[in-house]
Amino acid sequence: DTAVSQTPKYLVTQMGNDKSIKCEQNLGHDTMYWYKQDSKKFLKIMFSYNNKELIINETVPNRFSPKSPDKAHLNLHINSLELGDSAVYFCASSPYGRGGTDTQYFGPGTRLTVL
Amino acid sequence: AQKITQTQPGMFVQEKEAVTLDCTYDTSDPSYGLFWYKQPSSGEMIFLIYQGSYDQQNATEGRYSLNFQKARKSANLVISASQLGDSAMYFCAMREGGGYNKLIFGAGTRLAVHP
Repeated sequence: DTAVSQTPKYLVTQMGNDKSIKCEQNLGHDTMYWYKQDSKKFLKIMFSYNNKELIINETVPNRFSPKSPDKAHLNLHINSLELGDSAVYFCASSPYGRGGTDTQYFGPGTRLTVL
Repeated sequence: AQKITQTQPGMFVQEKEAVTLDCTYDTSDPSYGLFWYKQPSSGEMIFLIYQGSYDQQNATEGRYSLNFQKARKSANLVISASQLGDSAMYFCAMREGGGYNKLIFGAGTRLAVHP
């Protein structure tokens, strides 16, 4: 029944490793997003895909690469992890991606800790 | 300049009382949307309420209402009859313009409801 799900919920890894976070939504939405929440709880958008097409790409290091195999899935791959990548990463989805009442629904978050 | 300002890092309220969480925004775009999200200690982001810039009436959803003052560029969240379960971080967010929906978040307000 989960609308937007993410795996894993927790991820602890060493600096320099490569890791992926997966996101799936069963709401039939066209658009998916990745947000990063830092240690001060500040949330910032990273990427957005609409029907598998990248539509928002904020100033994010190119070590971060999103991939959307279909409109229900949006994965985030991070290469060469750094200490500063430690954060909570949220996936979200919305019906259309644009327009007045288009509301984003968030997944439970993935807490990434880089040691 | 910050687009979304939440000036109250923390707020306290007695159970069953009403509380107002402040949010001011900055945009020159005539078309925008304002959202409030709740983040309990468990970490998930829960959508609460939406107000469109052209909406004539203030949005309401159950115990939540949005006090929208367009000229003052404020979109305060009012929670009536506070409950212990309302203790959480609350984020105000804005979507600008008619393009793809990119939410810009405020820094959040931590609300504590006391019995």
